[in-house]
Amino acid sequence: QSALTQPASVSGSPGQSITISCTGTSSDVGGYNYVSWYQQHPGKAPKLMIYEVSNRPSGVPDRFSGSKSGNTASLTISGLQAEDEADYYCSSYTSSSTLEVFGGGTKLTVL
Amino acid sequence: QVQLVQSGAEVKKPGASVKVSCKASGYTFTSYGISWVRQAPGQGLEWMGWISAYNGNTNYAQKLQGRVTMTTDTSTSTAYMELRSLRSDDTAVYYCARSYYDSSGLGYWGQGTLVTVSS
Repeated sequence: QSALTQPASVSGSPGQSITISCTGTSSDVGGYNYVSWYQQHPGKAPKLMIYEVSNRPSGVPDRFSGSKSGNTASLTISGLQAEDEADYYCSSYTSSSTLEVFGGGTKLTVL
Repeated sequence: QVQLVQSGAEVKKPGASVKVSCKASGYTFTSYGISWVRQAPGQGLEWMGWISAYNGNTNYAQKLQGRVTMTTDTSTSTAYMELRSLRSDDTAVYYCARSYYDSSGLGYWGQGTLVTVSS
């Protein structure tokens, strides 16, 4: 069982917006602004899409945005494109002895 | 440009050990730590631990304590992850990764190393 809870799957049509949630506790997501989001295509290494809740690395389209409220972080993708179809993982710093925890992942299908 | 190049696939028997390397280039090796993340077939990402390339300080995931050792060789800008007493559920792709500048996000990843544990 993953430390952070994500929906197993979400879907949307091209041009639409979707949001993926990531729920933790006050010991991880709720306690720190150290939430990251990763995109992973099959057979590829993960790619950082959002760091520290809402910051985008250079080169990541501004269609990707992140936010947090309480113990839940969210990734929103607007203007869905076919190439956005992938698995998405959240992660957070945690105050436990295991410094970093991931969510179980969400499979995004672009219809 | 930042690159992390990992060693090749390994096949090990249960109870054996494996050591995966991660050679860094394109930046000052000792300025950033290296994290290790693994992914079992068809499963999600699992954080394994982190090592400072500056002073060798480590932090390991609780479930791997006692079985994992992370080290670095600053002379070759290479990080290593050794996992002992391998079990079938250690079969996974193992990734090394570096932070995106001084952020908490892992912005640079190796290509992954498949470790298969099978009798």
